[in-house]
Amino acid sequence: EAGVAQSPRYKIIEKRQSVAFWCNPISGHATLYWYQQILGQGPKLLIQFQNNGVVDDSQLPKDRFSAERLKGVDSTLKIQPAKLEDSAVYLCASSSRDSALYEQYFGPGTRLTVT
Amino acid sequence: DQQVKQNSPSLSVQEGRISILNCDYTNSMFDYFLWYKKYPAEGPTFLISISSIKDKNEDGRFTVFLNKSAKHLSLHIVPSQPGDSAVYFCAASRRAGANNLFFGTGTRLTVIP
Repeated sequence: EAGVAQSPRYKIIEKRQSVAFWCNPISGHATLYWYQQILGQGPKLLIQFQNNGVVDDSQLPKDRFSAERLKGVDSTLKIQPAKLEDSAVYLCASSSRDSALYEQYFGPGTRLTVT
Repeated sequence: DQQVKQNSPSLSVQEGRISILNCDYTNSMFDYFLWYKKYPAEGPTFLISISSIKDKNEDGRFTVFLNKSAKHLSLHIVPSQPGDSAVYFCAASRRAGANNLFFGTGTRLTVIP
């Protein structure tokens, strides 16, 4: 079974530029999560999708971050414009069900550096 | 506000000995707890979980203990192996069936051969 795929793996941009990350979840997984992991901290949930609908985006900085999951499969996370404090690893995870009782499978992450 | 805390950023253990990783939480509404393991340049992988109705869950070399009154859980690895060297994250969920996981800051375990 193929795991969660993410691209790019690394990205370096200047502040005020825009960037987009892509995630392809495990086939058949209805729930998709985007996490932000700042160096030295644990992952923090940004947004959760159930199929192509948003379940929780309470911690997404909506003035600069946006995410979509068209057709309930792939997802993109965009930052526009980026700030220095957005430097982090962005993790995508998927799960077969909308519940913490069901294991979340994480992708390798995209390491973003904003200079 | 860090609701899940791992106060030891690193731990070194000799191969074959026991590794004990600790985690504290502040939110009494948490009722489901998980441990994830992370190797460099990879995403976290699920290791073991425990529901608040239990105080112990065991899976092979890994055992998680939960002390609800102290709001504390620990992960025991016995015997420790060099391949266990990784960063371990503790995570908690507010209620069974809820989706949002709150992660700790992680503990880097090094198992010395």
